[in-house]
Amino acid sequence: AQSVTQLGSHVSVSEGALVLLRCNYSSSVPPYLFWYVQYPNQGLQLLLKYTSAATLVKGINGFEAEFKKSETSFHLTKPSAHMSDAAEYFCAVTEEGYSTLTFGKGTMLLVSP
Amino acid sequence: EAGVAQSPRYKIIEKRQSVAFWCNPISGHATLYWYQQILGQGPKLLIQFQNNGVVDDSQLPKDRFSAERLKGVDSTLKIQPAKLEDSAVYLCASSYGRAALYEQFFGPGTRLTVL
Repeated sequence: AQSVTQLGSHVSVSEGALVLLRCNYSSSVPPYLFWYVQYPNQGLQLLLKYTSAATLVKGINGFEAEFKKSETSFHLTKPSAHMSDAAEYFCAVTEEGYSTLTFGKGTMLLVSP
Repeated sequence: EAGVAQSPRYKIIEKRQSVAFWCNPISGHATLYWYQQILGQGPKLLIQFQNNGVVDDSQLPKDRFSAERLKGVDSTLKIQPAKLEDSAVYLCASSYGRAALYEQFFGPGTRLTVL
């Protein structure tokens, strides 16, 4: 069975600071990994995905994530936080050929001026 | 391009009542998903359709939940009777195909409160 662990239910940063949201996965087969963002009262929006090509994946809004097989991690980063980045972020895993996503519990990103 | 539409956006019912949610996916998307998102947790897949057939309903509480996708377009999710623990946001998503490479597009969700 696949699973995702997101470390930290809340992360607080100052505007302009580095954003680091942690995601570790468990999968018996090579995974496909995703990061989604959810703004209040909205559905989820795909930020980026890893599908076994380049290990460093760039997404929308300046976010990127690096797949590290040895660490079973897929952490999300952004060099400089904006107030508009305040939202909840979800990491998800599936495997090639399947579309059923298993989500983590989410990390709420708080950005202060 | 219009996104995934869901209605209603909010619903408050008492336990043991029935409720239904509607979803209209993006035009041309063959795969439709219903997720349950309980406060403080990530979305959990309830059921997945490919056109009008069920692909995965292993996590659907079939004694009280039902879903259909007649004609392979829009879909309805029903709960009968509702329990307190059904309070959650119900998200509908659609994708062009079943493979993981196809992005899932999510609707805004229906927030259900069961009193």
